[in-house]
Amino acid sequence: GAVVSQHPSRVICKSGTSVKIECRSLDFQATTMFWYRQFPKQSLMLMATSNEGSKATYEQGVEKDKFLINHASLTLSTLTVTSAHPEDSSFYICSARPTPNTEAFFGQGTRLTVV
Amino acid sequence: GEDVEQSLFLSVREGDSSVINCTYTDSSSTYLYWYKQEPGAGLQLLTYIFSNMDMKQDQRLTVLLNKKDKHLSLRIADTQTGDSAIYFCAEIPGNTGFQKLVFGTGTRLLVSP
Repeated sequence: GAVVSQHPSRVICKSGTSVKIECRSLDFQATTMFWYRQFPKQSLMLMATSNEGSKATYEQGVEKDKFLINHASLTLSTLTVTSAHPEDSSFYICSARPTPNTEAFFGQGTRLTVV
Repeated sequence: GEDVEQSLFLSVREGDSSVINCTYTDSSSTYLYWYKQEPGAGLQLLTYIFSNMDMKQDQRLTVLLNKKDKHLSLRIADTQTGDSAIYFCAEIPGNTGFQKLVFGTGTRLLVSP
């Protein structure tokens, strides 16, 4: 299947700093990528849909100024957690589909810990 | 709403069959998926089924779909300890423009020797 690479896999940062997470589709182009957040022992919550060349679409309750998304190319989307706080600590996962309405492939996830 | 329901926990012995159930919400969903998540890892696509199918078999995995009841199940034959993980069903509802995956609550499968 298609490969989605996410980096870094783990990051620890201090409160108040910003952290950037990258999501790359390695063997296909993705005009749309998705960012999810997963709390311990819970399901995945869609945060936003990243659209290449245009603004991301955020889900209700997700702060767009807090979670900045940039989809600068057909193979790269980035999520920046700005002014991170301990409550932002979570597992963040991206996904992409080679074509709409087909199976989605997921990155390995990023474990963010804010201290 | 968009709640996709799963039982939270399933425990089986190695060699037994496991059946994980899912109730989804949108009858217009054209694809339904099963994903596996091991601890601290991303999601691995296991299998998927088209909505015009009743059953799909893929090696040890069998997916059954009951569209009338909006019920999906995943059967794992000859379950192994390596199958211990969290299993998520997912749908792509038509009211999202067939774009967004909506995940179930996840079923934690524990396989004991």
